[in-house]
Amino acid sequence: DSGVTQTPKHLITATGQRVTLRCSPRSGDLSVYWYQQSLDQGLQFLIQYYNGEERAKGNILERFSAQQFPDLHSELNLSSLELGDSALYFCASSVGSQNQPQHFGDGTRLSIL
Amino acid sequence: DAKTTQPPSMDCAEGRAANLPCNHSTISGNEYVYWYRQIHSQGPQYIIHGLKNNETNEMASLIITEDRKSSTLILPHATLRDTAVYYCIVRGSLQGAQKLVFGQGTRLTINP
Repeated sequence: DSGVTQTPKHLITATGQRVTLRCSPRSGDLSVYWYQQSLDQGLQFLIQYYNGEERAKGNILERFSAQQFPDLHSELNLSSLELGDSALYFCASSVGSQNQPQHFGDGTRLSIL
Repeated sequence: DAKTTQPPSMDCAEGRAANLPCNHSTISGNEYVYWYRQIHSQGPQYIIHGLKNNETNEMASLIITEDRKSSTLILPHATLRDTAVYYCIVRGSLQGAQKLVFGQGTRLTINP
C-alpha cells in the first residue's frame, strides 16, 4: 500500500461527458502528479501541483484540468470526453524535495463508450 | 532528462538473482537513477534510487557504474511475484525537473 488513494477505481461514461478523478496524497506529501497510461502511449506525465500551485505541465489536453486543494488532495477534471481518453489515470505524490521518489496510487480506469 | 535503454524482456528462474541492466550514457551530474516496476495494471511501485553510490534496500540493490553511464537493478532472490515491467528512469534534481519519463521498460518474467 503506497498510501496514495485514488477514487473511483473504475469509471464508465459516454463521449462528450465530464468526469472528476480524485487523489489523496500520502500524509506529509506536498506534491501531487497526474499520469495517463493508454495502450498506445505508455505512461505519460500530465501535470504536477506543489502545495496548491501548479508546478509543471506535460502532455495535458486543454479539455483536462486539475487543481490541488488546501488539504492537499487533488482532482483531475476531464471534459468533452472522447473515445481516445479511455486509459488508466494515476496519481502520485512526493514530499516535494527534488530527489525524493514519487509514490503511485492504484489508478482510475476510465472507459469511454 | 537523460534517455535510458533497457532490454525489452528478460527471464529469470525463481529463487535466482534477477539482474536488470539499464544504459544511460547521457546522464548528467545532478541526475538520479530511479527504478520502478508495474505489476499488470497496478500503479507503478517505487523500488530504489541512487546518484552515484550503490544502494540497497529491502527490495533490491542498485549498482551504478563509476562513470554513471549504466546501472543494474538486482533482485537477489526472485519470486513469481516479481514478474512485472521494470522501468529505469533518469531524473534531474533541479527545480521543476520532477516529472518521471517512462520508457518501455523491461518485462521480467520469473519462471517456476
